[in-house]
This record gives sequence, C-alpha cells and structure tokens, in this order.
Amino acid sequence: AQSVTQLGSHVSVSEGALVLLRCNYSSSVPPYLFWYVQYPNQGLQLLLKYTSAATLVKGINGFEAEFKKSETSFHLTKPSAHMSDAAEYFCAVSDKNNDMRFGAGTRLTVKP
Amino acid sequence: SQTIHQWPATLVQPVGSPLSLECTVEGTSNPNLYWYRQAAGRGLQLLFYSVGIGQISSEVPQNLSASRPQDRQFILSSKKLLLSDSGFYLCAWSGTARWDEQFFGPGTRLTVL
Repeated sequence: AQSVTQLGSHVSVSEGALVLLRCNYSSSVPPYLFWYVQYPNQGLQLLLKYTSAATLVKGINGFEAEFKKSETSFHLTKPSAHMSDAAEYFCAVSDKNNDMRFGAGTRLTVKP
Repeated sequence: SQTIHQWPATLVQPVGSPLSLECTVEGTSNPNLYWYRQAAGRGLQLLFYSVGIGQISSEVPQNLSASRPQDRQFILSSKKLLLSDSGFYLCAWSGTARWDEQFFGPGTRLTVL
C-alpha cells in the first residue's frame, strides 16, 4: 500500500531562514503527491501537488517541492521563513484506490 | 465555487451520550466524502469514506458509524461515546480522480468527559 514518511515531527527555524520539510513516499503505482498546511484549530489547506507534470512544483505562500523518483522523496522548501508560516504540515500520497494517505505531520516553529 | 461546512465547531459530551456530526458540501456533485480524526499530537486517521449515496467504507473498527443520506451530506454518528472518541474531526471532499486533492472543512473539536 502507498504511504508517506515525514522525517522530523518538529522543525524550528529562524525568521528569514530556509525551510526544509522532508517527505519520503512508498508507492506501487506512479504517485500523486500533496503537501497540506494546517493552522491551529482549522482544517487542512492544499499548498501544492505533484501530478506527473513538472518535477518542481510551486505552491502558495512561496513554497515549492521537488519530486525525486530516484530518492522517492517530495521535500517541501521555502527560501525565507516568515512568522506566519508557523503551522503543521502534512505530506500525502494518493492511494491507487483514491484514498489519501497522510504522513504524521511536521510542526514548523519560526523564531523571531 | 465549492464550499464545505461542518457543525458544530465545538462539542462537549459526556461518556455514553450519542453523537451526530454533520458535513455538507456545496457547488459540486457526486463528490467523494471523507471523515478523519486527529487525536492530540497525532496525524490524521481516516475513519470513513464514501463514493456515493449509501456507500460507506470503514477504515477502522470502532463505535462510530457514518451515513450519506444525500449526495452532498455526510454524517458521523455514535450511539455511545467513549473517552477515546475525543479529538478533532475533519470532513473532506474530493473529485473522483487519483490526482484530485481533498478539500477540508473547518473541523469539529469533540471533548468527551
């Protein structure tokens, strides 16, 4: 079955620093991959998704992710962190049965 | 445009009481519908999904049930709540293609005392 692993349940960066959130996937079929963000007490919002077009995917709020098949990775990056980026981030893979399999999440803290 | 509603936003219920959480979607037809639970400090657990009216698939055995009486209505229920049912419940909808993202509602915070 398809699955994702997010390395690091907590990541802390300084404002203006690079954000790197790691996601590795396992899939028996060509994967469709997603990154979501969740602010406290809210639902999840889509940041970006990979659907087998360009391997570098740009999303909202300055985030981007690169699909690397050889590394089975789909890491999320942002060149310069902002205080408003503090949230929980989830990587997900679309299962062949259309189920979305989510990672355990990474909580991003941004220090002033 | 499509919107998804969940209510109530927060709920405090005693152990053993019944539960009914409702989710409705507007602006789309024949969506896939999902119920998830987030326990404190944990990821998302898929509870139920539905690909059509009356069609419910359960991911985990538990004392919760789901129903889809109308195309864009999804209800999560329990006859008797347990302490372990506390959590943040999220409803979501998607299209039917594998590459369709899921759109989430605002969630319901349930506390069972």
